[in-house]
Formats: sequence, structure tokens, C-alpha cells
Amino acid sequence: DAGVIQSPRHEVTEMGQEVTLRCKPISGHNSLFWYRQTMMRGLELLIYFNNNVPIDDSGMPEDRFSAKMPNASFSTLKIQPSEPRDSAVYFCASIFRQSGNEQFFGPGTRLTVL
Amino acid sequence: AQSVAQPEDQVNVAEGNPLTVKCTYSVSGNPYLFWYVQYPNRGLQFLLKYITGDNLVKGSYGFEAEFNKSQTSFHLKKPSALVSDSALYFCAVRPPYSGAGSYQLTFGKGTKLSVIP
Repeated sequence: DAGVIQSPRHEVTEMGQEVTLRCKPISGHNSLFWYRQTMMRGLELLIYFNNNVPIDDSGMPEDRFSAKMPNASFSTLKIQPSEPRDSAVYFCASIFRQSGNEQFFGPGTRLTVL
Repeated sequence: AQSVAQPEDQVNVAEGNPLTVKCTYSVSGNPYLFWYVQYPNRGLQFLLKYITGDNLVKGSYGFEAEFNKSQTSFHLKKPSALVSDSALYFCAVRPPYSGAGSYQLTFGKGTKLSVIP
């Protein structure tokens, strides 16, 4: 298996632009998590899905952030409009709830908002 | 709500010496505990977990961790450190199953391990 796939790996954009981050979970996994990592705040859970349904989005910082999971093999995290304080590394992770308990992480997307 | 504390931001150890990275947790019920490692510019990699059973858990790359319920700790250990072990280590906890929201992990802030040649 290729593992969790994220794209792009790096994104540089200007303040006010829309940013879309993409994630493909491991095939067969039924939960997906979006995290944000910064030096100041560490690793924060933004939102997570069970069977493509959002379960907890209390970590989404504000309305500028939105996430979707239209099917079991794809999820997006969108920031519109982006701000410099959104600069961070965004990770996606997936799990098959019924067998393992550990989450498998993607390589991350490093976002820089100028 | 659950929480994890990693009291040391950085741990320095000489190559060949034993290493310990500390973790304490707070959760209702019996915890599910995890250690992850992050190398520079990489995602988190799973090292080991404690769900139930033997308090000493063995994981990848020669790492092990000891679950101590009375001290609510789950310290990561390795008998002999390698320079290649230098990385950022995260402890994480989740509560026992109680519904759809049970699978989310709460992570500590991470401990940077530096193994000195």
C-alpha cells in the first residue's frame, strides 16, 4: 500500500487566496483526521470523519476553514481566504477503526501564506 | 477530557547510553496509549501502543514503553541510543471506546531527542 497520500507537499500562496489541500487515505480505512502542526501550538486536531461523515469539527479555527470527504478515498481541506497565520504543516491521517488503533499519517503539506 | 504531558522539551543523550522520554496522561477509564516519532520534514510514524495486557510494550526500532497505571505514565525507553534515533517524539492518548468520537487522539507537545555521537 502507498500509505496516506497528500498533495501538494508544499504550497506558497498570497494572503486572501483560496488554498485546497488534498488527502487520499489508505484503502479500506474508514476514519480520516486532519491535523495542523505549528511550533507554537504543536499538533492540533482540526476535524475528523467516520465513514465520510464529519464527527467532530470543533478544532477548525474559524469559518475560513472547511473540510469535505465526498467518498471513502478522498478528502479536502480548504482555506478561504488564507491568512499568514494559517502557515503551518497540515497532516492527514487515517485508521481502520475495527482492527487497529493507531493512526497512519501522510507526509504533510507545508503551507506558507505570504 | 483527556490530556498528555511531555515534561521535557528536549532530551540529550550520548550514543550507546540508555534513553528515556517521559509521558504522563489523564483520561477517564482505561487508556489507549501511543508513541509516534517524527523525523524532519516527515509525517508521524507509529512506534508502539498499549491497549491492554503486559505493561511493557515493545515496538519498532528497539523502542519499548512501560505503562504504569498508578503513576499514569507511559515512558518511552531504549537500552542503547543511536544517532539515527534523533527526532521528535510524541505521546498520545485516547479513551476507551464510548462512541463515534472515541478514536481521536490527544497528543503531547513533543520531545526533541538528540543523540550525541
